Amino acid sequence: GAGVSQSPRYKVAKRGQDVALRCDPISGHVSLFWYQQALGQGPEFLTYFQNEAQLDKSGLPSDRFFAERPEGSVSTLKIQRTQQEDSAVYLCASSLAWGEQFFGPGTRLTVL
Amino acid sequence: AQSVTQLGSHVSVSEGALVLLRCNYSSSVPPYLFWYVQYPNQGLQLLLKYTTGATLVKGINGFEAEFKKSETSFHLTNPSAHMSDAAEYFCAVSAYGNKLVFGAGTILRVKS
Repeated sequence: GAGVSQSPRYKVAKRGQDVALRCDPISGHVSLFWYQQALGQGPEFLTYFQNEAQLDKSGLPSDRFFAERPEGSVSTLKIQRTQQEDSAVYLCASSLAWGEQFFGPGTRLTVL
Repeated sequence: AQSVTQLGSHVSVSEGALVLLRCNYSSSVPPYLFWYVQYPNQGLQLLLKYTTGATLVKGINGFEAEFKKSETSFHLTNPSAHMSDAAEYFCAVSAYGNKLVFGAGTILRVKS
């Protein structure tokens, strides 16, 4: 693939449901970032992987948020027991080590 | 700690007029600075970046920005606005190319 892909593009969840958001980075990119963009705001950092190692998870808002990248490629962001305040666009970005971050189109999550 | 302030959540210019989008940053280490553009329902696209060296950086579509350390600013300009420039613009700062800290964004409207 030419760029970062994310799936699903749109997700509607009922409050209390668990969701899983997928990110396929550009092949060969060792760094992977997740950001959360609430309506009308700039993206905010959630977590960062270098290969399969999660080096920074300081931005995860609660212990309901969990991210993994078990083989150093595809990453999944999981949100347990979703709340209305989790409604946002979740952006994934990948880069070569310390390089330009390339962003995917995002997953728009709506929690009812 | 790092932060970004973008002055003006909305900017409106006439087609062919000068575009000026303001960005001020705070950083405890030498900053890497970025401008991204976001079109509706799309991911973020890098316009330009400053890491080291020349303080005037040129990007795509005629945009440029100047790093002014004394003013802690990185304002984005374009000498002639096009209708296709209408989008939301985000200024961001990072330390050594790590996670990005974004401003709240400025929506640019171009009037015909």
